[in-house]
Amino acid sequence: GNSVTQMEGPVTLSEEAFLTINCTYTATGYPSLFWYVQYPGEGLQLLLKATKADDKGSNKGFEATYRKETTSFHLEKGSVQVSDSAVYFCALMGTGGFKTIFGAGTRLFVKA
Amino acid sequence: NAGVTQTPKFRVLKTGQSMTLLCAQDMNHEYMYWYRQDPGMGLRLIHYSVGEGTTAKGEVPDGYNVSRLKKQNFLLGLESAAPSQTSVYFCASIAGTTYNEQFFGPGTRLTVL
Repeated sequence: GNSVTQMEGPVTLSEEAFLTINCTYTATGYPSLFWYVQYPGEGLQLLLKATKADDKGSNKGFEATYRKETTSFHLEKGSVQVSDSAVYFCALMGTGGFKTIFGAGTRLFVKA
Repeated sequence: NAGVTQTPKFRVLKTGQSMTLLCAQDMNHEYMYWYRQDPGMGLRLIHYSVGEGTTAKGEVPDGYNVSRLKKQNFLLGLESAAPSQTSVYFCASIAGTTYNEQFFGPGTRLTVL
């Protein structure tokens, strides 16, 4: 079945550091891939998405590229801010499906 | 648009008590979901609905029931609460399988003593 594996946290960085959170997936066909972010005390919200191979999703300085050959969708940001402290979830939805499969989440702490 | 709303935001129950969590969305979405979030376990799907009048079991359905009598509402019921149901509950919806971004509510924090 479909699955998502993302790096365990927490990840602690200093402000302006480079961020990478690794995500790999297992799925048949061409799933849609997502990164969701959860700020303290809130629900998840979509950060970015990609729907086909080689697509790059981007938002708020975050980027992720859909790599079919390595079944990966790593999240990157060139310079993190304290306000980026949150939990990040990688997720996928299979072709024609309606259930989203979530990774376990990676907590990010950014220090001033 | 309010998006997805959940009531209540917090609740404390005693073991054996019952309650209903209400989720409402004003986006005319077809699909709705109930998840629970526990520390270190990510999100787990409890029940979902693919349209008005339909419901189906997810990954962890035991001890919960749901109903979707109106398209905009999805109710989650606990008939006899247990301490293992202490969790944060999130409702979510999507428009369809093409526009498949999930919209989440703010969550309900439930404690069962």
